Amino acid sequence: GAVVSQHPSRVICKSGTSVKIECRSLDFQATTMFWYRQFPKKSLMLMATSNEGSKATYEQGVEKDKFLINHASLTLSTLTVTSAHPEDSSFYICSARDPGTSGRKGRTQYFGPGTRLLVL
Amino acid sequence: QKEVEQDPGPLSVPEGAIVSLNCTYSNSAFQYFMWYRQYSRKGPELLMYTYSSGNKEDGRFTAQVDKSSKYISLFIRDSQPSDSATYLCACTAGGTSYGKLTFGQGTILTVHP
Repeated sequence: GAVVSQHPSRVICKSGTSVKIECRSLDFQATTMFWYRQFPKKSLMLMATSNEGSKATYEQGVEKDKFLINHASLTLSTLTVTSAHPEDSSFYICSARDPGTSGRKGRTQYFGPGTRLLVL
Repeated sequence: QKEVEQDPGPLSVPEGAIVSLNCTYSNSAFQYFMWYRQYSRKGPELLMYTYSSGNKEDGRFTAQVDKSSKYISLFIRDSQPSDSATYLCACTAGGTSYGKLTFGQGTILTVHP
């Protein structure tokens, strides 16, 4: 099946710094990727939809200046947490769909392994 | 009210038991329903995918969707310790909203030998 990778898998940073998380589709081209956030023992919350070559679409309540998304190529989307604060500590997960396939497989969303961010 | 409600459990069953996991949703626009399995500190893995109402079976897993009552279920037969994980239901609408998944809270399942 399709593979989505994330880097780094874990990052610890100081408050006030910026952190970049990469999401890559390894064996398919993804025009659309999604970024989710998950708190411990909580569900995944969609943060934004990343569109290749255009601006990301943010969900209500998500600060676009805080969480910068860049989808520079068909295989790479990045999420930058700017001026990170301890409350930004969370598990960030991206997903992508392979538009080159049809039917069920084409509608399957593949998730990356996640990035655990800890802001001190 | 959350759009997708799921009992977080935890749920503990003996090996070989039949497990029933359920979610309810409120958004009538939802047409696609999925079940994901998530192991600790990992990304979700798709288990079952269903369009509209009906049943779908895949090995030991059966997914059911009843759109009239906005109720979705996942049954696991002959449960194994390796099934121990968090199970998340997810829903999405069609059209331009397709792909924007709304997840339930997840149910923590433990299958003990």
